[in-house]
Amino acid sequence: GEDVEQSLFLSVREGDSSVINCTYTDSSSTYLYWYKQEPGAGLQLLTYIFSNMDMKQDQRLTVLLNKKDKHLSLRIADTQTGDSAIYFCAERTGYSTLTFGKGTMLLVSP
Amino acid sequence: DAGVTQSPTHLIKTRGQQVTLRCSPKSGHDTVSWYQQALGQGPQFIFQYYEEEERQRGNFPDRFSGHQFPNYSSELNVNALLLGDSALYLCASSLVTGDSGANVLTFGAGSRLTVL
Repeated sequence: GEDVEQSLFLSVREGDSSVINCTYTDSSSTYLYWYKQEPGAGLQLLTYIFSNMDMKQDQRLTVLLNKKDKHLSLRIADTQTGDSAIYFCAERTGYSTLTFGKGTMLLVSP
Repeated sequence: DAGVTQSPTHLIKTRGQQVTLRCSPKSGHDTVSWYQQALGQGPQFIFQYYEEEERQRGNFPDRFSGHQFPNYSSELNVNALLLGDSALYLCASSLVTGDSGANVLTFGAGSRLTVL
């Protein structure tokens, strides 16, 4: 079956790097996504990676994909208090259909 | 450029009632998907509409139905509401040929439904 798992909580200090991890089960997934959700808001796309890539970098964000282990990570460099939010990993399991994890709450303290 | 807009933002219903939620997709998008996000959970796929037809459906009962209009806007209807239907309902739009195959979803802020 399809399942995406994430650790539920991560706490870091401002200026540190944050690493959020995710595992997925569908080996046929073509794209994997990271979304951010702030309180009371919808989901904001942060970045995505195609399954034939190992890494993608976009400003402070670095996505690493280990397809063999079905492991995806999101690294946020120089984490700021404004990065505090819930981060969702998602895999594409149908034509533009996504299966989401339960989300990782990132808390950044000053 | 307006993103995805949803209405209403909040509503309260009682068990057994029916509810209709509305969504206007991002300008230029032609596909609308609906997701249910229960408290503390990730969004779960309900169904997707393209060319006014339901193209794909998740594991939700027939009480959940939808519609897409010629202007690409969409409605989600839920009949015979249960307490467990309380959730944030998210609409997402995309372009069937967009983003070089990535079909990135743009989400609205959601409609929060409380069933008493």
